[in-house]
Formats: sequence, structure tokens, C-alpha cells
Amino acid sequence: AQSVAQPEDQVNVAEGNPLTVKCTYSVSGNPYLFWYVQYPNRGLQFLLKYITGDNLVKGSYGFEAEFNKSQTSFHLKKPSALVSDSALYFCAVRVSGGYNKLIFGAGTRLAVHP
Amino acid sequence: DTAVSQTPKYLVTQMGNDKSIKCEQNLGHDTMYWYKQDSKKFLKIMFSYNNKELIINETVPNRFSPKSPDKAHLNLHINSLELGDSAVYFCASSAPGLAGAEQYFGPGTRLTVT
Repeated sequence: AQSVAQPEDQVNVAEGNPLTVKCTYSVSGNPYLFWYVQYPNRGLQFLLKYITGDNLVKGSYGFEAEFNKSQTSFHLKKPSALVSDSALYFCAVRVSGGYNKLIFGAGTRLAVHP
Repeated sequence: DTAVSQTPKYLVTQMGNDKSIKCEQNLGHDTMYWYKQDSKKFLKIMFSYNNKELIINETVPNRFSPKSPDKAHLNLHINSLELGDSAVYFCASSAPGLAGAEQYFGPGTRLTVT
């Protein structure tokens, strides 16, 4: 079965420190992987995606993610966290078979403390 | 200009009523989606239309009926509302024919059934 796991419900980090939000996936075929962010009472915003090519993907707001095929992971990272990064982060994988159907992880709440 | 818009933003109604949520996108996309986000923030796809044709139809009660009058609009009608239908419903759209195209989300409609 195709799935996405975000093992941490919440990640706490001090402002200025690096942050990592973890994601692992299970999908048949080549994975198309995405990260989205959701601020309170807002819709999801696209951050970045991995389709093919370089394993390190750069996205919006200084975020990046590293695709690791052997570990089936796609962790989201940022070198220096901001308080304004505090939000709910979703990892998603495109289900093979077309139609751009996405399966989302359960979400990880990132709390950045001053 | 709002890319993906939904109306209404909030909807409070009683059990047994019928209600509709409207979605419009001005991005020129051919593919549109409806998602349901439950109280635990879990996000699940319900339907997808590509150029007015239904392409994804998940296991959703048949009380839910999507309708796409044209490729820029996707509405969701819900009959005989139940308490368990309370959730936030998101509309999204994506570019056609692009493998791994990111989806753009609307601001959501918070449905409360009492």
C-alpha cells in the first residue's frame, strides 16, 4: 500500500537553530514527493517538490528537502528557524497511476520559540 | 487576485439539511480537487475533476456530489448532513498534463453540523 509517515506530531526548535521535519514514504515506482505548509485558518501552501534529478531540493522561504531513496525519506530542513515558520507541515506523495492523486501524511506541528 | 477561492468560508447548519460549497480558480488549470480535513488535521482527497470529467472518486458517501459546470469551477453538494460531516473542506487545482504538478489550495470552508 502506498503511504506517507510523519513520525513526529510536533517539533520544537529555538529561533536561529536548524530544523528538520521528518517524512518517510512507501510508493510503487518512482516517487513524486511534496511538502506543504498550513498556517492557522488557512489553506495549504506549496513549499517544494521532488520529481527527479538532484536529491537536494530548494523551495520557498529558505526551506529545502533531501530525497533519500535508500531510506525512502524526504526530510524538510531549514538552516535557521524563524518564529514565523511556526505552522503545520504536511508531506505528500503522488500515488502512482496518474491523475496527480496525493496521499498526505498526518502533519507535523512546528513550534519555533524566540 | 485570489487564485483559488471558496464560498462560504464558514457554514453552520443542522443535521438533515442540504448545503453546497462553491470553488473557483483563475489559474487556468484543468484539474480541480476536493479534500476533507478532519478535526485532527488529517487531509484526505474526496474527488477530482479534469476538464469537467470526474477522474478521482474516493470512498465517500453518496450524499456528497461534486459538480463541475466548467473547468474553472468545482462545487460540492452535500445532502442530509450528518454530525460526522463537520470538517474543513478544501478545494485545490493543478496544471494539466504535468506529472507531479503542485496543487494550489483554497482557503477552506469550515462546515459545522449541529
